[in-house]
Formats: sequence, structure tokens, C-alpha cells
Amino acid sequence: AQSVAQPEDQVNVAEGNPLTVKCTYSVSGNPYLFWYVQYPNRGLQFLLKYITGDNLVKGSYGFEAEFNKSQTSFHLKKPSALVSDSALYFCAVRDSNAGNNRKLIWGLGTSLAVNP
Amino acid sequence: EAQVTQNPRYLITVTGKKLTVTCSQNMNHEYMSWYRQDPGLGLRQIYYSMNVEVTDKGDVPEGYKVSRKEKRNFPLILESPSPNQTSLYFCASSRDRGDYYEQYFGPGTRLTVT
Repeated sequence: AQSVAQPEDQVNVAEGNPLTVKCTYSVSGNPYLFWYVQYPNRGLQFLLKYITGDNLVKGSYGFEAEFNKSQTSFHLKKPSALVSDSALYFCAVRDSNAGNNRKLIWGLGTSLAVNP
Repeated sequence: EAQVTQNPRYLITVTGKKLTVTCSQNMNHEYMSWYRQDPGLGLRQIYYSMNVEVTDKGDVPEGYKVSRKEKRNFPLILESPSPNQTSLYFCASSRDRGDYYEQYFGPGTRLTVT
């Protein structure tokens, strides 16, 4: 069965330090992977995606993510965190073998707090 | 500006009183979806639509109805709301069926059923 895990409910990091938000997945075929961010009282916003090609994907607001097939991971990273990055981050996956069921499988979210 | 709009943004209602949450997108997207977001449960899909007049159940469809008579609109209908439908609701749209394309989300509707 398809699944996504975000093992950390909360991540705390000091402003200026690098940040990592972890995501692991389980699918039977090739994964299509996405990261979204939700700021307080807002809808989700797309950050980046991996469909195929280069394992390092660059997205909005200076975020990047690395697809690691052997570890079935797609961790979100940023070299230098900003206080304004504080938000809820969601990882999502779709299985290329899912047939007609083409919905995204969502992680439960990781709350990122960047401290000044 | 490309956007997904939802109305109302906040709604407090009583058990059993029918309500509709509207969703509209201006990007000519084929795919639209409704989610509910609850603490500790993340995002769960309620219904989705591949195109006009094509809808299907998501993970938690009980107690909800949808329709897709026009490409831009995808209303969510609660015929007889109950307190367990108190939640934050999001509408989303994307090109194609969302396989490769990112989804655009509305600002959310916070529903309280007493």
C-alpha cells in the first residue's frame, strides 16, 4: 500500500542554520513526490516536486529536496533558515502504478519553527 | 491572478441544517478536489472530479455531496451536517488529473457544527 511518513511532528532550528524536514515514502511503482507549505490561516502552497530526472530538485523560496530511491526518501532542505519559513510542511506522493486511483497520499505534516 | 476561491471562509451552523461551500478556480483546470484537515489526521480527500460531470469518492465521502456542472466550480454540499464534520476544508485544482502537476489550494473554510 502507498504511504508517506513524516517522522518528526516538529522541527526547531535557529535562524541562519540549515534546515531539514524529513519524508519517507512507500509505493509499488515509481514515485511522484511533492512538498507543500501551509502558513498560518492560509491554504497549502506548492514548493517543489520530483517526477523524474535529477535527484536534486530546487523549488520556491530557496528550498530544495533530494530524491533518494534506495532510502525511499525525499527530504526537504534549505541552507539558511528564515523566521518567515516557520510553517507547516506536507510531503505527498503518488504512485505511478496506482491505476485509476490517481490521488495524492499525504503525510501528516511537520511543523517548522525557526527561532530568531 | 490565478487563484482558487472558497466561500464562506468561516461558518458556524447547527446540526442538520443543509449547507454549501462554494469553490471556484480561474485556471481552466480539469481536476478539482475537496479535502478536510483535522489535527493529527492531516489532509484527507473527500471527493474529487476529473472534469465536468465526472466525480468520484475520496477517502472520507460519507455525509458529503459534490457536483461539477461547470469546469470552474466544484461546490461541496453537506445535506445534514453533524458535529463530526467540524473541520477545516480546502478545495484544490490542478491541470490534468494531478499526476504530474501541482495542486492549487483555496484559502480554506473553517466549519463548526454545533
